[in-house]
Amino acid sequence: GAGVSQSPRYKVAKRGQDVALRCDPISGHVSLFWYQQALGQGPEFLTYFQNEAQLDKSGLPSDRFFAERPEGSVSTLKIQRTQQEDSAVYLCASSLERTGYNQPQHFGDGTRLSIL
Amino acid sequence: KQEVTQIPAALSVPEGENLVLNCSFTDSAIYNLQWFRQDPGKGLTSLLLIQSSQREQTSGRLNASLDKSSGRSTLYIAASQPGDSATYLCAGPFSGGYNKLIFGAGTRLAVHP
Repeated sequence: GAGVSQSPRYKVAKRGQDVALRCDPISGHVSLFWYQQALGQGPEFLTYFQNEAQLDKSGLPSDRFFAERPEGSVSTLKIQRTQQEDSAVYLCASSLERTGYNQPQHFGDGTRLSIL
Repeated sequence: KQEVTQIPAALSVPEGENLVLNCSFTDSAIYNLQWFRQDPGKGLTSLLLIQSSQREQTSGRLNASLDKSSGRSTLYIAASQPGDSATYLCAGPFSGGYNKLIFGAGTRLAVHP
């Protein structure tokens, strides 16, 4: 079916505003990941879901970042009281199986977030 | 802490050359090594995934190898074409990592006609 879909593609917000980024994984994929990619760098892990359970949120930079996947499919990454250092591309990835060690991760095109 | 390093950071070559991109990692407890391609403004496209029990994988003009003992992987691109121009990233999940990927910073490749 379709690949991983992220929306919006671009988001501009003023410092202090809250933003919400959406990820639609590939249908049936159990694992979902969020990554943050700064300009010229590789992506860095933020958080991981297995179905609706958030099993690892060790990469979230602060308590202003919150992610959810309430029904085990669509996920939302929310950033409260945005700051300029939050400007980055936010990538979502999904993989088919629970453990996934031999399953590739499939990435969306990302949301480019700019904080003014 | 696991670290992934990619060399060179950038590469510019004429069309037709055979290329080797390098990836090194500090933790040999890697479950697999995945090579990705990223075009400007786009997400990551998975090129090859080498399981820890394998030594190499091939897809078309691409060949990737994995040597866990030395902490190295290489991506070989044969007969490069302008359409190969992109950033190439390697990444792997390490022990206890729930398959979360640790990425290198990438190699920016430009192939000119």
